[in-house]
Amino acid sequence: GAGVSQSPSNKVTEKGKDVELRCDPISGHTALYWYRQSLGQGLEFLIYFQGNSAPDKSGLPSDRFSAERTGGSVSTLTIQRTQQEDSAVYLCASSRNYEQYFGPGTRLTVT
Amino acid sequence: AQSVTQPDIHITVSEGASLELRCNYSYGATPYLFWYVQSPGQGLQLLLKYFSGDTLVQGIKGFEAEFKRSQSSFNLRKPSVHWSDAAEYFCAVGESVSVGNKLVFGAGTILRVKS
Repeated sequence: GAGVSQSPSNKVTEKGKDVELRCDPISGHTALYWYRQSLGQGLEFLIYFQGNSAPDKSGLPSDRFSAERTGGSVSTLTIQRTQQEDSAVYLCASSRNYEQYFGPGTRLTVT
Repeated sequence: AQSVTQPDIHITVSEGASLELRCNYSYGATPYLFWYVQSPGQGLQLLLKYFSGDTLVQGIKGFEAEFKRSQSSFNLRKPSVHWSDAAEYFCAVGESVSVGNKLVFGAGTILRVKS
């Protein structure tokens, strides 16, 4: 079956612009996670959604970052006023138990 | 707070040789431990996990890992490496086995396989 998909695969943006990254989880997976993978910081948890519960936003690095999950399925991670340090690969994962299935990521480059 | 240390940034082994990738964790309670592999341009794939019970766990692609509580370690092993195993490997610790298991990852170990 289809895995986790993310779009776009690559995004280049200018400093100060807003960007939206999309994640389509595996159908039926109730949990959805966003992680960031960067050279300096490795893999970091950003935010987690579980069903209709309030999301766990404890990993978001600043208030420029936000995410939503509509209808318990698709999620969008938004970064406002992008900075060069936001350049990274943003990974989405979904799960229905302990095993998280990861998408291929979106590579964000802020120039 | 949980943390994971992978002491080796790069490891090079010859094809057919054995492999051990090191992982040490810091966590106050019973850890839930994972190894993931990431090939270039790909997402992460779960190799194996430890929750409880037998401390030697088997995973996919011929990998195994041993949980040693006394050493706070969860090292990944493979008896004979294949060229296709070249990738980056991440050890991770989670808070629980239920849904809602946000992971803390190590920095990763890049494995190179020479023929």
